[in-house]
Amino acid sequence: QVTLKESSPALLKPTQTLTLTCTFSGFSLSTSGMSVSWIRQPPGKALEWLALVDWEDDKYYTTSLKTRLTISRDTSKNQVVLTMANMDPVDTATYYCARSAPNLRGTFDYWGQGTLVTVSS
Amino acid sequence: SYVLTQTPSVSVAPGKTARITCGGDKFGSKSVHWFQQRPGQAPVLVISYDSDRPSGIPERFSGSNSGNTATLTISRVEAGDEADYYCQVWHSGRDEAVFGGGTKLTVL
Repeated sequence: QVTLKESSPALLKPTQTLTLTCTFSGFSLSTSGMSVSWIRQPPGKALEWLALVDWEDDKYYTTSLKTRLTISRDTSKNQVVLTMANMDPVDTATYYCARSAPNLRGTFDYWGQGTLVTVSS
Repeated sequence: SYVLTQTPSVSVAPGKTARITCGGDKFGSKSVHWFQQRPGQAPVLVISYDSDRPSGIPERFSGSNSGNTATLTISRVEAGDEADYYCQVWHSGRDEAVFGGGTKLTVL
């Protein structure tokens, strides 16, 4: 059974750095073709893909936020971590992690429940 | 940046057919995926690679992609289909995923 679960602080102040952790089970990020992404959704708005790390530890970032994002993996702990620097109130959103399976590369077949992050002074 | 354009809202009566479109440049060279998101829930993949239906998704959901427009079709619409629907592609030239702005499906 594939599961993903996000964890993070619920509230941050502007300029702080956000650290998001995705803990998953039911698959291995060492399996060829596997990857995990972070996707966010501001309240009432559309989904926005942020970053991806794959089985070869290759990393990809959305162009618009690339300078603020760092994604990493710990295959021994089955975790993927995303840090986002210099948080702003516009970064208030629900943050999801999602899996891309080898036969579904380029899209996302399993998602976590999401974690709401609020940025406010 | 690469933009996917969706109609913000679609309304349909129960039992009828809903068609949700997604437009993008050079769509023919990209595979389009569709997600359903009910209020307060995570998105669910309902169509992958233009027209493939993942296990557990009803046959009422189908997809197509032609020219610069992809279409998600929901036949015999039910009240439980009321949700936001998002299209998505992987832009290989930029190595990033792109989502459309979403379409809110209202079942009358």
